[in-house]
Amino acid sequence: KQEVTQIPAALSVPEGENLVLNCSFTDSAIYNLQWFRQDPGKGLTSLLLIQSSQREQTSGRLNASLDKSSGRSTLYIAASQPGDSATYLCAGGGSNYKLTFGKGTLLTVNP
Amino acid sequence: DAGVIQSPRHEVTEMGQEVTLRCKPISGHNSLFWYRQTMMRGLELLIYFNNNVPIDDSGMPEDRFSAKMPNASFSTLKIQPSEPRDSAVYFCASKTGGSETQYFGPGTRLLVL
Repeated sequence: KQEVTQIPAALSVPEGENLVLNCSFTDSAIYNLQWFRQDPGKGLTSLLLIQSSQREQTSGRLNASLDKSSGRSTLYIAASQPGDSATYLCAGGGSNYKLTFGKGTLLTVNP
Repeated sequence: DAGVIQSPRHEVTEMGQEVTLRCKPISGHNSLFWYRQTMMRGLELLIYFNNNVPIDDSGMPEDRFSAKMPNASFSTLKIQPSEPRDSAVYFCASKTGGSETQYFGPGTRLLVL
């Protein structure tokens, strides 16, 4: 059974700092790894999806990496802004439709 | 497109009452998911529909929970009778068959007293 862990549970940084969020998973037979953003009182927004055959994906200031052998993924946010404050969740996708979510990292970017 | 639409956004009810949550997926999406999010357990898949057919309901906690999808544009999640431990945020998500990206609705925050 896939288990996904995110550390730290919360992170506070000053504006402009580059930061890394971590995600680990137990089953290396992962189909894809997805990163989502959740704002308070809102649903989840998909940020990046990395297929199992890929090593990384980039979108603007975001870069996500995937290392299946070590069971790890990272989300790198460059030049953080207060608007980046949110909870970031990673999810491991199985060969079927199922996503197994971590509990998220609450990011606060202070002006 | 308006995105995934869920109603109501908030629901407060008393233990023992029936609760019905509603979802309208994005037009053209043929897969629909119901999730539950709590502080303790995080985000968990309850049930998955493909082309209006329930494919996997192994995440449904017990018989008090039921879900239907009578057509491609509407789904319901019903809890009868509701209990305080059902208090959570319930999300609906949809996707197309050719994509792995799920699009989430804003959620229904349920409080059972």
